[in-house]
Amino acid sequence: DGGITQSPKYLFRKEGQNVTLSCEQNLNHDAMYWYRQDPGQGLRLIYYSQIVNDFQKGDIAEGYSVSREKKESFPLTVTSAQKNPTAFYLCASSIGAGTQYFGPGTRLTVL
Amino acid sequence: QKEVEQNSGPLSVPEGAIASLNCTYSDRGSQSFFWYRQYSGKSPELIMSIYSNGDKEDGRFTAQLNKASQYVSLLIRDSQPSDSATYLCAVDSGFGNEKLTFGTGTRLTIIP
Repeated sequence: DGGITQSPKYLFRKEGQNVTLSCEQNLNHDAMYWYRQDPGQGLRLIYYSQIVNDFQKGDIAEGYSVSREKKESFPLTVTSAQKNPTAFYLCASSIGAGTQYFGPGTRLTVL
Repeated sequence: QKEVEQNSGPLSVPEGAIASLNCTYSDRGSQSFFWYRQYSGKSPELIMSIYSNGDKEDGRFTAQLNKASQYVSLLIRDSQPSDSATYLCAVDSGFGNEKLTFGTGTRLTIIP
């Protein structure tokens, strides 16, 4: 059963804490993406990766970091430098410049 | 800054009527256009993709693209209450670039 999984579904972060959001896909897609969605807003691109061991900053990369050590995995770390991290985080994947398919999302809340 | 503009709504349509959702984009080099549906609290799911000028139909959904006017639309025929959701328009950065720019979405409510 192919798809994209994200974990955890809900995540709570204390001030000054780094947290890591997981994204795994078994679709054999080359490209993976991280987006942030705030209430009533569209999706804003944080980071994307077109190939293993390579990634590029999106429009709002400050305070975030990623790695792409395996084709299937693209974890996102929200660092303490991100001052307003409360949002809905969405991971997506695609075959090159094709349709992007989304995981179920992680809702991050700062305590 | 590449932009994708959508009317935020809410757009209210009676059940059984046609819902019309519109999107304009700023980058003339864009080649690929997508409509996603997003239910409250859920992730976006693909409804339609369109790459050439004209109409593309899939069941009750029709996507329309006019590259000269930089305009893409989504028509939903025989609207159902289950169509109530936010619809996101997404446009690529052109020339095979994988990046998509999303509009802020139009919230559609189908009135029984």
